[in-house]
Amino acid sequence: GNSVTQMEGPVTLSEEAFLTINCTYTATGYPSLFWYVQYPGEGLQLLLKATKADDKGSNKGFEATYRKETTSFHLEKGSVQVSDSAVYFCALSPLAGKSTFGDGTTLTVKP
Amino acid sequence: GAGVSQSPRYKVTKRGQDVALRCDPISGHVSLYWYRQALGQGPEFLTYFNYEAQQDKSGLPNDRFSAERPEGSISTLTIQRTEQRDSAMYRCASSPLTRYEQFFGPGTRLTVL
Repeated sequence: GNSVTQMEGPVTLSEEAFLTINCTYTATGYPSLFWYVQYPGEGLQLLLKATKADDKGSNKGFEATYRKETTSFHLEKGSVQVSDSAVYFCALSPLAGKSTFGDGTTLTVKP
Repeated sequence: GAGVSQSPRYKVTKRGQDVALRCDPISGHVSLYWYRQALGQGPEFLTYFNYEAQQDKSGLPNDRFSAERPEGSISTLTIQRTEQRDSAMYRCASSPLTRYEQFFGPGTRLTVL
């Protein structure tokens, strides 16, 4: 079956530091890949997505590239802010069938 | 437009009682998902529908859990004879189709005493 493996957290960074959260997946076919973010006390919301190999998703300064050769979708941001503190989930959705989520990575950014 | 709504937002019940959790998806969305999320964990898949057809219920923990979406819109997740271990946040999500991003509701916090 499909699976998503995320870098274990928690991750603690200082403001303006560079962020990478690793995500690798196992899937048959060509799934869509997503990063969702969950801020404290809130529900999950889409951060960015990519639907085919070599696509780059981007939003709010975050980026991730769909790498089929390494089955990865790592999340990056050049300069994090305190407001980026949240839990980040990598996920995949196949053409047909259920979606699969990673276990989440908690990011804390200190001023 | 309106997002995904869930009701009730909070439910406290006694062990052994039945509960029904409701999800109202975004209008026109074909796919509807139910998840359970423990604190500090990712969403745990329970079941999903395309239109009114239940496509996969492999995540339902046991036969006390059931879900329906009779008219292809609103869905109900029912837990019979609740147990304390059922206490969790139950989240619903909808999407235009299976492959697309999901829009999550605020969740129902279920507490079984």
